[in-house]
Amino acid sequence: NAGVMQNPRHLVRRRGQEARLRCSPMKGHSHVYWYRQLPEEGLKFMVYLQKENIIDESGMPKERFSAEFPKEGPSILRIQQVVRGDSAAYFCASPPLPGHISSGANVLTFGAGSRLTVL
Amino acid sequence: AQRVTQPEKLLSVFKGAPVELKCNYSYSGSPELFWYVQYSRQRLQLLLRHISRESIKGFTADLNKGETSFHLKKPFAQEEDSAMYYCALSHMDTGRRALTFGSGTRLQVQP
Repeated sequence: NAGVMQNPRHLVRRRGQEARLRCSPMKGHSHVYWYRQLPEEGLKFMVYLQKENIIDESGMPKERFSAEFPKEGPSILRIQQVVRGDSAAYFCASPPLPGHISSGANVLTFGAGSRLTVL
Repeated sequence: AQRVTQPEKLLSVFKGAPVELKCNYSYSGSPELFWYVQYSRQRLQLLLRHISRESIKGFTADLNKGETSFHLKKPFAQEEDSAMYYCALSHMDTGRRALTFGSGTRLQVQP
């Protein structure tokens, strides 16, 4: 089990460019969460996805941000026309599989994160 | 709305000293509380959860509903405990929902 894989680990973009961050959840898992960690702040929920379906996007900024999780391939968090304020670490996480939930329904397994720097 | 507050950004102690990382939460329903830890250059990982009532690496945390707190404690800190610690809250009665994290506390254990 390779765990939750994220790439790239580090991404540098200039203002106005696009950033694409990818996340492959644990094998057999079909749900992912995306979180953002701004400098000096805690993790903030962005979006919760199932394959081909967005379940909860209440934490996503209204503009420039989008997320998808296609039937095949990784989940992608896309940021268009990046600005300096988008510089952050973006984390992806997998919830437990149904039937594998021990005490506590919301234990997440996190990826190593993707650090975006906007120049 | 859910909220998790970790009032200390940095906590510095000497090896062998007791440690208490504070966490207070705000939630009207029945809370589920977690502590996550992130060691240097490693990914965020679960440390413990209140439902399990377990002790991991010498750390314990008791849910105090009266004070809406879930402080993390260890009687004798070790240098390898140095890390970022995040308190997190989720509610159990609406299926899968995202965790709400506190802003984190960096624990530095000095030799």
